[in-house]
Amino acid sequence: DVKVTQSSRYLVKRTGEKVFLECVQDMDHENMFWYRQDPGLGLRLIYFSYDVKMKEKGDIPEGYSVSREKKERFSLILESASTNQTSMYLCASSLFFWRDYEREAFFGQGTRLTVV
Amino acid sequence: GEDVEQSLFLSVREGDSSVINCTYTDSSSTYLYWYKQEPGAGLQLLTYIFSNMDMKQDQRLTVLLNKKDKHLSLRIADTQTGDSAIYFCAENPNQAGTALIFGKGTTLSVSS
Repeated sequence: DVKVTQSSRYLVKRTGEKVFLECVQDMDHENMFWYRQDPGLGLRLIYFSYDVKMKEKGDIPEGYSVSREKKERFSLILESASTNQTSMYLCASSLFFWRDYEREAFFGQGTRLTVV
Repeated sequence: GEDVEQSLFLSVREGDSSVINCTYTDSSSTYLYWYKQEPGAGLQLLTYIFSNMDMKQDQRLTVLLNKKDKHLSLRIADTQTGDSAIYFCAENPNQAGTALIFGKGTTLSVSS
């Protein structure tokens, strides 16, 4: 089974802290994504990466950075956490070159981050 | 720009059919997807449809695609309380190395 694992289910951090959210996938997927999910706003893409050390900004990259040093791991970094970054964060992975339905994205279980 | 629209809420009684609707904008999208998110969990692929199909049936699920109107629907027959979840429509921009585009999600509430 494809597995996308996020390091924490729940996190509570203080305003101004540097926060790392880790995501690991075991399917040798090239693409990895970070989304945040907020009620009424759905999933918004923060960053994605299609290869090691490559990254592309999504719709809402401000206040975030990412790191992809290894193919299986994609980290989301909040340089200085703020209360408006309280949210559910979802990591996903998929193949780069897709055929048929292989364009499916596989999701982790999510990390609920609260910034106080 | 690219956008996927869904209604935010749907409430049905157990045993009824549920129909969740979605409109999308990218006519080049090759595949369209329905994802399900149960409370406290990530998203799981529920079903998908290839753009040259009009309909796909999978047990209690029926997906209808009107490519001309860029309209996608998911019908759940004999809806159960376990179907209560958020359902996301997603389109697949026909370009390698890009992200799926998701709608805001429809929260389905099933009452007994």
